[in-house]
Amino acid sequence: AQSVTQLDSQVPVFEEAPVELRCNYSSSVSVYLFWYVQYPNQGLQLLLKYLSGSTLVKGINGFEAEFNKSQTSFHLRKPSVHISDTAEYFCAVSGQGYQKVTFGIGTKLQVIP
Amino acid sequence: GAGVSQSPSNKVTEKGKDVELRCDPISGHTALYWYRQRLGQGLEFLIYFQGNSAPDKSGLPSDRFSAERTGESVSTLTIQRTQQEDSAVYLCASSPETANYGYTFGSGTRLTVV
Repeated sequence: AQSVTQLDSQVPVFEEAPVELRCNYSSSVSVYLFWYVQYPNQGLQLLLKYLSGSTLVKGINGFEAEFNKSQTSFHLRKPSVHISDTAEYFCAVSGQGYQKVTFGIGTKLQVIP
Repeated sequence: GAGVSQSPSNKVTEKGKDVELRCDPISGHTALYWYRQRLGQGLEFLIYFQGNSAPDKSGLPSDRFSAERTGESVSTLTIQRTQQEDSAVYLCASSPETANYGYTFGSGTRLTVV
């Protein structure tokens, strides 16, 4: 079985400030981890993914995430946010032998001018 | 096509009616998934198709829900005798071979049962 916990349902942050969106996972097999973003009135799109190799993964729009196996975490970070980053962010997990992805409940990032 | 196409984008139906939602995946993507997103909740897996293999129906919430896909083309999700709790955004995604490539999502169908 696999599951994802996103601890924060909403995160307000001022423009140009750094942000971290937290994600913890549970899985009984080797994991593959994802962050998806859903901009207002749009579909979800893949932001970044970890399959293997370097634990620091860089994605689109300046976002990055770090896979931490000991803490079973995959937190998403950006050093300086823009108004255009206002969106809902979903952490997701899959793994060897799994053919589908399990999603967290999402974190709404609100960037304040 | 260039992306995953879903239709209709919005659907309002009366309780007890049947509805059919359509998904047209990216050409060449063998895997197709349906998810449901209720207000304030995460994405709930419904069903998965991979090529000509038997679909994984483990996420369908009741026998009122069914889905079909012909080969590697269009899929339809049918909800019979709709209930108010079926109101949600229904998302379709496709992927080349496996989920680990990452999904490409459609824009969804917003279903409202009144």
